[in-house]
Amino acid sequence: GQQVMQIPQYQHVQEGEDFTTYCNSSTTLSNIQWYKQRPGGHPVFLIQLVKSGEVKKQKRLTFQFGEAKKNSSLHITATQTTDVGTYFCAGRVFSGGYNKLIFGAGTRLAVHP
Amino acid sequence: GAGVSQSPRYKVAKRGQDVALRCDPISGHVSLFWYQQALGQGPEFLTYFQNEAQLDKSGLPSDRFFAERPEGSVSTLKIQRTQQEDSAVYLCASSHDASRGLMNTGELFFGEGSRLTVL
Repeated sequence: GQQVMQIPQYQHVQEGEDFTTYCNSSTTLSNIQWYKQRPGGHPVFLIQLVKSGEVKKQKRLTFQFGEAKKNSSLHITATQTTDVGTYFCAGRVFSGGYNKLIFGAGTRLAVHP
Repeated sequence: GAGVSQSPRYKVAKRGQDVALRCDPISGHVSLFWYQQALGQGPEFLTYFQNEAQLDKSGLPSDRFFAERPEGSVSTLKIQRTQQEDSAVYLCASSHDASRGLMNTGELFFGEGSRLTVL
């Protein structure tokens, strides 16, 4: 079946360091979404990428969608303690007559002050 | 309501007990999803409703799991004869758009989840 793999599983950084998480799909995606889940919270939507090779920025966060629409990345520049949480990618695949959203296992980010 | 509401927030059940988890989505949202999230894992798809129609239940782990959304708004996830492996957070999410379009842009709005612990 369709799978969305995400690496690394955990990342510990010092405040001010950069952070990147990578997402890979076994199949071509219609689009990809990114969510952030704070400890004890629920996933919150960050962004959606649709076009091949698309790059979007939100302040210190940069999101990329691969040319083949099978991979994506999230890069955070100069991490802050407020960036702590788990970042999930979620890929949309057309399956069973509708667009199913499949989540990766997430990358848990810890930021040390 | 302002957001997706789930109840109960916490449920402790004895093995073999039946449980029912409720989700009240954002008013007017067509799509409703149930996900299961084990500790340290990503949300795993369980089932999808478009209005009252259950279009996909391929993620339900066994026939002990049953979901309904009879009037196209509130949904209930029922687990019969609970087992220890059912312990997880059950997340409900709604989306304004129907998920049929290939270029669907519907972000999911998640509830706080129902944490089920089966002893």
